[in-house]
Amino acid sequence: GIQVEQSPPDLILQEGANSTLRCNFSDSVNNLQWFHQNPWGQLINLFYIPSGTKQNGRLSATTVATERYSLLYISSSQTTDSGVYFCAVELPTSGTYKYIFGTGTRLKVLA
Amino acid sequence: DAGITQSPRHKVTETGTPVTLRCHQTENHRYMYWYRQDPGHGLRLIHYSYGVKDTDKGEVSDGYSVSRSKTEDFLLTLESATSSQTSVYFCAISERDNTGELFFGEGSRLTVL
Repeated sequence: GIQVEQSPPDLILQEGANSTLRCNFSDSVNNLQWFHQNPWGQLINLFYIPSGTKQNGRLSATTVATERYSLLYISSSQTTDSGVYFCAVELPTSGTYKYIFGTGTRLKVLA
Repeated sequence: DAGITQSPRHKVTETGTPVTLRCHQTENHRYMYWYRQDPGHGLRLIHYSYGVKDTDKGEVSDGYSVSRSKTEDFLLTLESATSSQTSVYFCAISERDNTGELFFGEGSRLTVL
């Protein structure tokens, strides 16, 4: 089946630093999303980005579907950015709509 | 707010007992999903539904069954709970008829002793 790999698995930053998180996938996909799981366990939608680039405040994301990867950029990180970041891809198989998740990048931002 | 409610939010039970988790949505979405989250594994798909009485298996469906008798409710049942099913369970809906974007409920923490 499709493999979804995220890197790095863990990341520690000083407040104000920038970072890039990567999501690689092994096959073509229909959709791709980025989520942030906060320390309380809530899964928060960041980007729905099957292709192209989007920006939302200090966060932006780029998906290059033809090369099977997506990047999440966090600029001027804040302590509230701490948590786990997941990418999820939707399989392209006709008639199914399954989203498969990577194992996440755990981010800790220090004050 | 995608209008997703999970119940119960926390449950402790004993090995061998049946458990049912409920996911309720208020916005008439066709696609609903159950995931489990465990350390080191991320989120793994258990079952999903693409309409009333239409369900299919995910990656880790063994030991679980689901039912969807009406659009708004998607039930996950553990017929005989085992300690390996201790996990956090998330329900999700997909706005497939619009963008296909996935939205999650708050999660249900299940402990099987």
